[in-house]
Amino acid sequence: TQLLEQSPQFLSIQEGENLTVYCNSSSVFSSLQWYRQEPGEGPVLLVTVVTGGEVKKLKRLTFQFGDARKDSSLHITAAQPGDTGLYLCAGPYNQGGKLIFGQGTELSVKP
Amino acid sequence: DAGITQSPRYKITETGRQVTLMCHQTWSHSYMFWYRQDLGHGLRLIYYSAAADITDKGEVPDGYVVSRSKTENFPLTLESATRSQTSVYFCASRAGAHTDTQYFGPGTRLTVL
Repeated sequence: TQLLEQSPQFLSIQEGENLTVYCNSSSVFSSLQWYRQEPGEGPVLLVTVVTGGEVKKLKRLTFQFGDARKDSSLHITAAQPGDTGLYLCAGPYNQGGKLIFGQGTELSVKP
Repeated sequence: DAGITQSPRYKITETGRQVTLMCHQTWSHSYMFWYRQDLGHGLRLIYYSAAADITDKGEVPDGYVVSRSKTENFPLTLESATRSQTSVYFCASRAGAHTDTQYFGPGTRLTVL
């Protein structure tokens, strides 16, 4: 059972375009995180959102946590080739400190 | 060097052999995790540990064994490797709360022939 569904799974765009990646669930999460993974490396944390409706910005990346804390989105403005990578959302699952991940969105930004 | 390391980075083995993947972190983080990453499945949790001598199963624990006798080490053993265990394995560590940063190692690419 995939508790976190990401869409789209693949995205190929031209440099300068805008894009949005979605992370949805039927469950309420106390927090959600977004990670970025480059080929041959482990994921790296981009942001953590903890409050429903919260918006955080990281340069050209804007992250939003849904009001009901069941979904989150990542918006990239004027994408650059350096944004290419796998974007993963993650949230705490049950008790005990586990973090569950969505299946990821593979982004390719062409010059 | 501070951080989280995995060894080996690449491993080829045969069906039925025992394989151990090593993970070491220098931060004294309480939590450590093992994930496998396969196309279309994202990162799936195999096992995790909240502290030394405390381990628990994740989503896909079958065929794997872990131990954590020291805080800094969290080895993952495939007791009898199968082809379905061909994957990229990531170790991760986290200081405590869910909102803390979870740091990942560089991964081990395992091929079972």
